[in-house]
Amino acid sequence: DGGITQSPKYLFRKEGQNVTLSCEQNLNHDAMYWYRQDPGQGLRLIYYSQIVNDFQKGDIAEGYSVSREKKESFPLTVTSAQKNPTAFYLCASSIDRQGLVRTEAFFGQGTRLTVV
Amino acid sequence: SQQGEEDPQALSIQEGENATMNCSYKTSINNLQWYRQNSGRGLVHLILIRSNEREKHSGRLRVTLDTSKKSSSLLITASRAADTASYFCATAPWMYSGGGADGLTFGKGTHLIIQP
Repeated sequence: DGGITQSPKYLFRKEGQNVTLSCEQNLNHDAMYWYRQDPGQGLRLIYYSQIVNDFQKGDIAEGYSVSREKKESFPLTVTSAQKNPTAFYLCASSIDRQGLVRTEAFFGQGTRLTVV
Repeated sequence: SQQGEEDPQALSIQEGENATMNCSYKTSINNLQWYRQNSGRGLVHLILIRSNEREKHSGRLRVTLDTSKKSSSLLITASRAADTASYFCATAPWMYSGGGADGLTFGKGTHLIIQP
């Protein structure tokens, strides 16, 4: 089945550690996105990528890094520089960046990151 | 910055009743989308309404858009317990600024509870 898969579902991190969240899609979508969601809040854009080997900062990119070496994969690294990383992270994809506007975004099931 | 603001923040109704939630936004849009999120899960696209449309239906969903008032409403008719979820509106800008963190902008959501 086509879809977008995030792993792991739950992740615990010690302070000062970097962690990487996985996002894989087999929808053949060009564009991929990372959002952060805090309790009772909407989604805030961290990074997005329109095409392989290209990505752009979103509203809250500080303390995060990404790579886009393959069309199917868009991993997010939460670095120790992120002051408050505990949150729910959502990955999404769309046909292309214009497609995000014209049609819809497809979301993964999310990764809940907790700093202990 | 958040473009869409949903109202009310929370809504509790009896099964079988209709549920109405509203979304207001600030700047010109290309389209407005509604998404649903079950607790701890990813978002699922429900419906997209373009700026030149006034009303759209999909099953038990009815969406209206009033661009003069910069507002939209989502009506769920004959609600079911399974409709319990958070509902988000997301606005897509009329024009891409290019290179910026544009794309979909999400509100904080309306949490809908359907009492059996």
